Amino acid sequence: SQTIHQWPATLVQPVGSPLSLECTVEGTSNPNLYWYRQAAGRGLQLLFYSVGIGQISSEVPQNLSASRPQDRQFILSSKKLLLSDSGFYLCAWTEQGLSGYTFGSGTRLTVV
Amino acid sequence: QKEVEQNSGPLSVPEGAIASLNCTYSDRGSQSFFWYRQYSGKSPELIMSIYSNGDKEDGRFTAQLNKASQYVSLLIRDSQPSDSATYLCAVTDTGGFKTIFGAGTRLFVKA
Repeated sequence: SQTIHQWPATLVQPVGSPLSLECTVEGTSNPNLYWYRQAAGRGLQLLFYSVGIGQISSEVPQNLSASRPQDRQFILSSKKLLLSDSGFYLCAWTEQGLSGYTFGSGTRLTVV
Repeated sequence: QKEVEQNSGPLSVPEGAIASLNCTYSDRGSQSFFWYRQYSGKSPELIMSIYSNGDKEDGRFTAQLNKASQYVSLLIRDSQPSDSATYLCAVTDTGGFKTIFGAGTRLFVKA
């Protein structure tokens, strides 16, 4: 069966510090991978998606970046965090096509 | 700007009643429609998907789709306190790679 792992679960970082969140999927190959952010009491905002190794599409221009160094690994990064980067970060995967997402357990990031 | 609109609620129903959740979307080319359940502090969980007009039933859940009206709904029969959560409507865009989420409807089921 397929599983998705996301870590860390919680993170408190000072403004201006770097960020690296990692997501891995097991039990499938060539998944579509996604990073979403959910601000407190708000909906999910799509940040990045990837349909293959090295292929990244950005939805929101900001100080975040994403990379997909391996087929089942998706990394979200920042060189310098802003207060507005606080939120609940969710990685998700889906098979190629139109099926629904399976989400990771999420990372709650607080920038102080 | 492609949008998915939901009533934020909260929607409060007594235990055993039917809860009705509604959603409208703007992209006429959308082909896939989903409902996710999100408990407080947790990640969303897919509970229903629907791809063609009409009703789709799965246990106590029924999803309804009307593409002409750009309308999706979710009915929860015999509501239980454990159904209390935020329900997110989601629609895949015309290209099929991106899913747009509504802000969610909070549901409270009173015992």
